[in-house]
Amino acid sequence: TQLLEQSPQFLSIQEGENLTVYCNSSSVFSSLQWYRQEPGEGPVLLVTVVTGGEVKKLKRLTFQFGDARKDSSLHITAAQPGDTGLYLCAGGGIYGGSQGNLIFGKGTKLSVKP
Amino acid sequence: DSGVTQTPKHLITATGQRVTLRCSPRSGDLSVYWYQQSLDQGLQFLIQYYNGEERAKGNILERFSAQQFPDLHSELNLSSLELGDSALYFCASSVTGGLSYNSPLHFGNGTRLTVT
Repeated sequence: TQLLEQSPQFLSIQEGENLTVYCNSSSVFSSLQWYRQEPGEGPVLLVTVVTGGEVKKLKRLTFQFGDARKDSSLHITAAQPGDTGLYLCAGGGIYGGSQGNLIFGKGTKLSVKP
Repeated sequence: DSGVTQTPKHLITATGQRVTLRCSPRSGDLSVYWYQQSLDQGLQFLIQYYNGEERAKGNILERFSAQQFPDLHSELNLSSLELGDSALYFCASSVTGGLSYNSPLHFGNGTRLTVT
């Protein structure tokens, strides 16, 4: 059974600090997605990475897919209160297969205090 | 706004009862997915429909069933409800039935089910 472990589970920081959250597995994924979920809303896709070693940047957010495609990280620079939310990673199996086969981690709950 | 509409937003019911959750996908999306989110299990895939037909099945209990109608809206039926069924239920939609950059998942805002 594929399993994605996210760490830390909770993170509370001050505005302006940098942070990194991790998504690890013992299984190899063909792709990995990161979502952000705010209270009362559904997850919103931030990025998809598919190549081992791939790095993608989205403004202050930097996503990396591990060389072996078993892990990923999300780094936020100069965090802002608007970054507060639940960050979920989701691993995809065979590329082209059903998206229902996405395996979600339990998430990292980030709180950025002004 | 993702364009995916879920109703109702909240639902409170008693054990043993049956409820129906409704989802209207984004305009143009043919695939609908149902997920259950609880604090201890995280987001769990239940079932996927593509253009009216079941495409993939996840950890869906036998007490649960779903269907996608010709107008592409979908319903998730939960019966013989138990306390442990209390959770957030999300619907998501995508253009195609497969994983691709050009067909990401768009989630609705969920239905919060409370079984008492």
